[in-house]
Amino acid sequence: EVQLVESGGGLIQPGGSLRLSCAVSGFTISDTYMTWVRQAPGKGLEWVSVIYSGDTSYYADSVKGRFTISRDNSKNLVFLQMNSLRAEDTAVYFCARGGFSGSKLGWFDPWGQGTLVTVSA
Amino acid sequence: QSVLTQPPSVSGAPGQRVTISCTGSGLNIGAGFDVQWYRQLPGAAPQLLIYTNSNRPSGVPDRFSASKSGTSASLAITGLQAEDEADYYCQSYDSSLSGYVFGTGTKVTVL
Repeated sequence: EVQLVESGGGLIQPGGSLRLSCAVSGFTISDTYMTWVRQAPGKGLEWVSVIYSGDTSYYADSVKGRFTISRDNSKNLVFLQMNSLRAEDTAVYFCARGGFSGSKLGWFDPWGQGTLVTVSA
Repeated sequence: QSVLTQPPSVSGAPGQRVTISCTGSGLNIGAGFDVQWYRQLPGAAPQLLIYTNSNRPSGVPDRFSASKSGTSASLAITGLQAEDEADYYCQSYDSSLSGYVFGTGTKVTVL
């Protein structure tokens, strides 16, 4: 069974750092790409970051320079290191597997249940 | 602010057909990038409904269909059921942002 479980969320003061983890089972993360998506309370989905095979990564402008995505293929873990956190980073953070078929890619399935990050003094 | 625009809400009676639009631009949908659709039930993680414009993953009923034309895409739900009450999001890729983008989201209400 494919499963993604996020952890590492919590309450953090503005300016602080937090590292989220996404533990994957049921598939090998090195065979695909992985992404983080967040959802602020009562708001819509916002794409945050993606890491492709070869470890090429991209970020949303809102987190560029502050967040870093990485992965440990040996442990089937994906991480999101979040630095210089701001109140507007408060959200549930989901990790998801990137989908691909032949030359087509760009969808996310499945998703983890999410972990809540609250940035507040 | 999202670059993909959806109506905030749509509603319909059980058994009816509703459609949700997703309007982008020449930098995303109009540039040829595929569109995906997700359903998010209250308090749950999003689930993939449609990928590459019109394809349903296994397990998604054929009541859900989608299409893409020009700079827009749309999702149709036929035979509306109470369990379809949820938030729906479109998603694509934007070349100017060099990243993925989601729509603003649409809440579907079953009357």
